[in-house]
Amino acid sequence: SYVLTQPPSVSVAPGQTARITCGGDNIGSKYVPWYQQKPGQAPVLVVSDDSDRPSGIPERFSGSNSGNTATLTINRVEAGDEADYYCQVWDSSSDHPVFGGGTKLTVL
Amino acid sequence: EVQLVESGGGLVQPGRSLGLSCTGSGFTFGNYGVTWVRQAPGKGLEWVGFIRSKPSGGTTEYAASVKGRFTISRDDSKSIVYLQMNSLKTEDTAIYYCSRIGYCGGTGCSFDYWGQGTLVTVSS
Repeated sequence: SYVLTQPPSVSVAPGQTARITCGGDNIGSKYVPWYQQKPGQAPVLVVSDDSDRPSGIPERFSGSNSGNTATLTINRVEAGDEADYYCQVWDSSSDHPVFGGGTKLTVL
Repeated sequence: EVQLVESGGGLVQPGRSLGLSCTGSGFTFGNYGVTWVRQAPGKGLEWVGFIRSKPSGGTTEYAASVKGRFTISRDDSKSIVYLQMNSLKTEDTAIYYCSRIGYCGGTGCSFDYWGQGTLVTVSS
């Protein structure tokens, strides 16, 4: 089955740029949405496809995807961005979705 | 406003059954697939299964960990998707979320709206 690899944690100071990676075999050929989950809350879709954001999601959130790595970039990080972030793809061999293990973003 | 609300969670003994419901509102429920995703305490997201919309066949898919034990069905007249869980194991303990399958690109789909989740605890 398809495996997605995320770093367990990323730390960044307020106002700086956070980059959260998601590794997978030829992931650049796949559609990669990203989800944000704050403590005690349900996940929220923050990036649908590269830089396509759902309504209400700040422009500071964007995605990119090439080769074996997809990246969620959060510009001008704020304290309220502290959360767990998950990437997700669809495994074409099984026709099943797969989530990455999640990355905890800490705002210093 | 699109909303999904799960219900039916609770404490159940190993080997027993439990049924969850996911009620949608604010959109044409029958036009969308719905997926179930769970999260064990302190762990990440795990896909459980989904049901396609009737226009897309209404078929279901399940994760290997629940296949043969869990069944997803839908009643579009009531805007409800059900998750019937049989032969429950302690490792099925988790918050269970339902989510709408939204945009589908050429190689996959995203889950654009989520319910608040319902806790299932499997313990003797």
